[in-house]
Amino acid sequence: QKEVEQNSGPLSVPEGAIASLNCTYSDRVSQSFFWYRQYSGKSPELIMSIYSNGDKEDGRFTAQLNKASQYVSLLIRDSQPSDSATYLCAATPGANNLFFGTGTRLTVIP
Amino acid sequence: GAVVSQHPSRVICKSGTSVKIECRSLDFQATTMFWYRQFPKQSLMLMATSNEGSKATYEQGVEKDKFLINHASLTLSTLTVTSAHPEDSSFYICSATDTGELFFGEGSRLTVL
Repeated sequence: QKEVEQNSGPLSVPEGAIASLNCTYSDRVSQSFFWYRQYSGKSPELIMSIYSNGDKEDGRFTAQLNKASQYVSLLIRDSQPSDSATYLCAATPGANNLFFGTGTRLTVIP
Repeated sequence: GAVVSQHPSRVICKSGTSVKIECRSLDFQATTMFWYRQFPKQSLMLMATSNEGSKATYEQGVEKDKFLINHASLTLSTLTVTSAHPEDSSFYICSATDTGELFFGEGSRLTVL
């Protein structure tokens, strides 16, 4: 099993809808979790980090972590065309390195 | 926030030549930097972990003699792609950690003709 797994998509949602991105991880990387956004040809940028079970909200973004199910998700409310990008889920066992999923490509349709 | 700078952002070279990419942490000291490679429509793949003052740790399948990494100071790590070939064409990204959060450089797109 890969350390971090994501559905590659593509995921299309209409503008204003909620986009839901999902990720599962293995026992080997179960300490900290991150969501990065990557526009085509650019480096990833950190959107959210989450370390404990439950929800964490930041503006239109909500990260959800369920350690029992080894599942982490990102919800984007009121999706905008500018949210169209590839979203990378990442997890770390705590050794200052990250394991990345393959990314989910999101398209927000105006 | 912490900033990591990479240079050059784009480089085109002939097959057989060597290319050096620099990664700098601009406002913090990074004892550890990471080098990733990303092929089109694929995720980031860790190539090596660069530690200041010591040899880099390479991931399985990455040739250490081909991808030379030097981390001579707390703010600079370099990746040299030696004897580059067209299959080395890729997007190379460095990152550095500051208090546990990972910051990425802008990336360097290498095209080998």
